[in-house]
Amino acid sequence: KAGVTQTPRYLIKTRGQQVTLSCSPISGHRSVSWYQQTPGQGLQFLFEYFSETQRNKGNFPGRFSGRQFSNSRSEMNVSTLELGDSALYLCASRGSFDEQYFGPGTRLTVT
Amino acid sequence: DQQVKQNSPSLSVQEGRISILNCDYTNSMFDYFLWYKKYPAEGPTFLISISSIKDKNEDGRFTVFLNKSAKHLSLHIVPSQPGDSAVYFCAVRLNDMRFGAGTRLTVKP
Repeated sequence: KAGVTQTPRYLIKTRGQQVTLSCSPISGHRSVSWYQQTPGQGLQFLFEYFSETQRNKGNFPGRFSGRQFSNSRSEMNVSTLELGDSALYLCASRGSFDEQYFGPGTRLTVT
Repeated sequence: DQQVKQNSPSLSVQEGRISILNCDYTNSMFDYFLWYKKYPAEGPTFLISISSIKDKNEDGRFTVFLNKSAKHLSLHIVPSQPGDSAVYFCAVRLNDMRFGAGTRLTVKP
């Protein structure tokens, strides 16, 4: 099976802009979660989608949003970018035993 | 919201010795615990897990121990190999997955 894919891999944006990141889970996986990784903060949970519905949400401002499509692909959107949004954004699809399979991430740099 | 804490940001061990990575959590309702390994420029990869009904799970060189009364989780790697050098994250699951900040393990030849 192909693994979790994320596009783009790298992105540079300016403060105030918005960005959309994409994630395709492992075939057959219906749950997709998004995480933000910054140095010293580990992986911070953003949200989880299952069958096109947001199932859980972390403690991030409303500028961070997401959605999932009928083919389980998911997108994450960040509006009005701030410098502090610079991070590695990871998505993961969930296996049968709750283990997460992560994609390689999208490195977002906000200048 | 520090529900999961990895208090050691880094650990260095000699090849062949035991590596012990620690993790503390705050919520006794967590019922599933996992360890992930992350190499640079890659996403984390699942390593080993344990459910709250067990206190030990072993997979080759990797063993995870769970002490529910202390709300403490540990990962033992023995013998440690240079290829084990990576950042290790512990994670807990209730409704969603929560990760610690990670511990960078360096195994010296």
